[in-house]
Amino acid sequence: EAGVAQSPRYKIIEKRQSVAFWCNPISGHATLYWYQQILGQGPKLLIQFQNNGVVDDSQLPKDRFSAERLKGVDSTLKIQPAKLEDSAVYLCASSLAGGKANEKLFFGSGTQLSVL
Amino acid sequence: DAKTTQPTSMDCAEGRAANLPCNHSTISGNEYVYWYRQIHSQGPQYIIHGLKNNETNEMASLIITEDRKSSTLILPHATLRDTAVYYCIVRPPSGAGSYQLTFGKGTKLSVIP
Repeated sequence: EAGVAQSPRYKIIEKRQSVAFWCNPISGHATLYWYQQILGQGPKLLIQFQNNGVVDDSQLPKDRFSAERLKGVDSTLKIQPAKLEDSAVYLCASSLAGGKANEKLFFGSGTQLSVL
Repeated sequence: DAKTTQPTSMDCAEGRAANLPCNHSTISGNEYVYWYRQIHSQGPQYIIHGLKNNETNEMASLIITEDRKSSTLILPHATLRDTAVYYCIVRPPSGAGSYQLTFGKGTKLSVIP
């Protein structure tokens, strides 16, 4: 079974530039999550989708971050413009339905972003 | 969500059992205890979860105290590949955000040859 696919694996940009990350969840998984992981910390949820609708984006810095999941399958996360403090690993995860408390999340390997 | 407290780091000799503790004294009766781990340069990986009873799978065992205020993840025969950060997470069963995972800083387990 294919896992959660993310690209690119690494990205280096200068501050004030734009960047986009792509995620393809496990086939059939309705729920998709984007997490941000700053060095030395645990992952922090940015946004959760159920199919193509947003369930929770309360921790997404909406002045610079945006995300979409237009067809309810793959998703993109964009930062525009990037700041130094956005340097982190961006993790995508998916789960089958998002409707059960004992449901597992499956994570991709992440995109490591460095903002110079 | 109930908070968890874990030691920052632990060492374990290769081949020995690794016992990782987690305190969750404010856990509610219907909240699950989850364990994930994150190997360097990879995303978190599910290990095991439980509600009240002890659980065992091919990766680990989860021991939850009777009062549910703490738990222990047991890796029965640690190998070098078990070196990772281990996260203990308490997850509510329903309501807004219930299907998310809220990560702390976890325990850095180093398996020593």
